[in-house]
Amino acid sequence: AQSVTQLDSQVPVFEEAPVELRCNYSSSVSVYLFWYVQYPNQGLQLLLKYLSGSTLVKGINGFEAEFNKSQTSFHLRKPSVHISDTAEYFCAVSGGYQKVTFGTGTKLQVIP
Amino acid sequence: NAGVTQTPKFQVLKTGQSMTLQCAQDMNHNSMYWYRQDPGMGLRLIYYSASEGTTDKGEVPNGYNVSRLNKREFSLRLESAAPSQTSVYFCASSEASWDSSYEQYFGPGTRLTVT
Repeated sequence: AQSVTQLDSQVPVFEEAPVELRCNYSSSVSVYLFWYVQYPNQGLQLLLKYLSGSTLVKGINGFEAEFNKSQTSFHLRKPSVHISDTAEYFCAVSGGYQKVTFGTGTKLQVIP
Repeated sequence: NAGVTQTPKFQVLKTGQSMTLQCAQDMNHNSMYWYRQDPGMGLRLIYYSASEGTTDKGEVPNGYNVSRLNKREFSLRLESAAPSQTSVYFCASSEASWDSSYEQYFGPGTRLTVT
């Protein structure tokens, strides 16, 4: 069984400030980890993914995430956010099969 | 290359009515999925199809049926709609990539209200 916990349902941050969105996972097998972004009234699109190798993963739009096996975490970070980053972000885990388990989402609100 | 398309975009039903949500993908993916998204609950898997001719239940299958019509199309049917099925429904597709991950590609969603 696998699960994902996103503890923060909403994160307000001022424009040009750094942000971290937290994600913790549990799985009984080796995992693939993903972050997806959902802009208002749209479907989800992939930001980045971790499979193996380097624990720091870079994605689109300046986002990056760090895989920490000992803490079972995969936090998403951006050093300087822009208004256009306002969206909902979903962490997801897969055991390497077709089924993916999504977290409950974190709404990032960038304040001008 | 349209990716994943869904119809309709919006729908209002009365309790007890039936309807079918349509989904099609043009990426030649084997796997397709139906999710529902509710506030504070993230995405929950309703049904998925690992390949043409196969379907399996997900986390919340009750009240729904699916048909994998061919490799491109995967439909979701509500036989007797209930207010608890008011939600946003997303279709997705995936294929094992070179790195064995199953990145999912999502449609734009269908917003369903049941009164």
